[in-house]
Amino acid sequence: GENVEQHPSTLSVQEGDSAVIKCTYSDSASNYFPWYKQELGKGPQLIIDIRSNVGEKKDQRIAVTLNKTAKHFSLHITETQPEDSAVYFCAASAYNQGGKLIFGQGTELSVKP
Amino acid sequence: DGGITQSPKYLFRKEGQNVTLSCEQNLNHDAMYWYRQDPGQGLRLIYYSQIVNDFQKGDIAEGYSVSREKKESFPLTVTSAQKNPTAFYLCASSDRGEQYFGPGTRLTVT
Repeated sequence: GENVEQHPSTLSVQEGDSAVIKCTYSDSASNYFPWYKQELGKGPQLIIDIRSNVGEKKDQRIAVTLNKTAKHFSLHITETQPEDSAVYFCAASAYNQGGKLIFGQGTELSVKP
Repeated sequence: DGGITQSPKYLFRKEGQNVTLSCEQNLNHDAMYWYRQDPGQGLRLIYYSQIVNDFQKGDIAEGYSVSREKKESFPLTVTSAQKNPTAFYLCASSDRGEQYFGPGTRLTVT
């Protein structure tokens, strides 16, 4: 079945630096790739997503890139702020799987002031 | 005020008791999902429903049951057959593949 691997598991950056989190997926039928931010004790919040017909999408300080050939997608956060500190999850979904998302294991991002 | 509500936020039960977790959405989404999250782990799918009166098992359905009698509601019952029920439970609903999550219920069984 589909598998999503996420790296790194922890990431520490200085405020103002950039952060990059990478995911790989196994199912070539995957066509939807969302990213979630989860703060402690709360539900995950959808922050950005990308579909397989585009290679990059930006929303202010965050961007996602997709390489379908290599089955990689990445989250880029620029000008990090302490409030960006959270656990980030990538996920993948295939068009033939009824909307089921397969999640990566998560990356704990810490932004130090 | 639209969204997904889960109640209660914290739930405590004795071992051997069944417990039902509530999930309600007013987003008019057809699909709803239940996930389990253990400390430091990702999300694992328990059950999902793409339409009223229909649902499918996810990856870890053993020891759980669901119903989907109304579009707005997708309650999850954690039965006494679930060996390790203590966890953070998350409900989600989706529109065009975009899943939105509720605030979660933290269940502790002692």
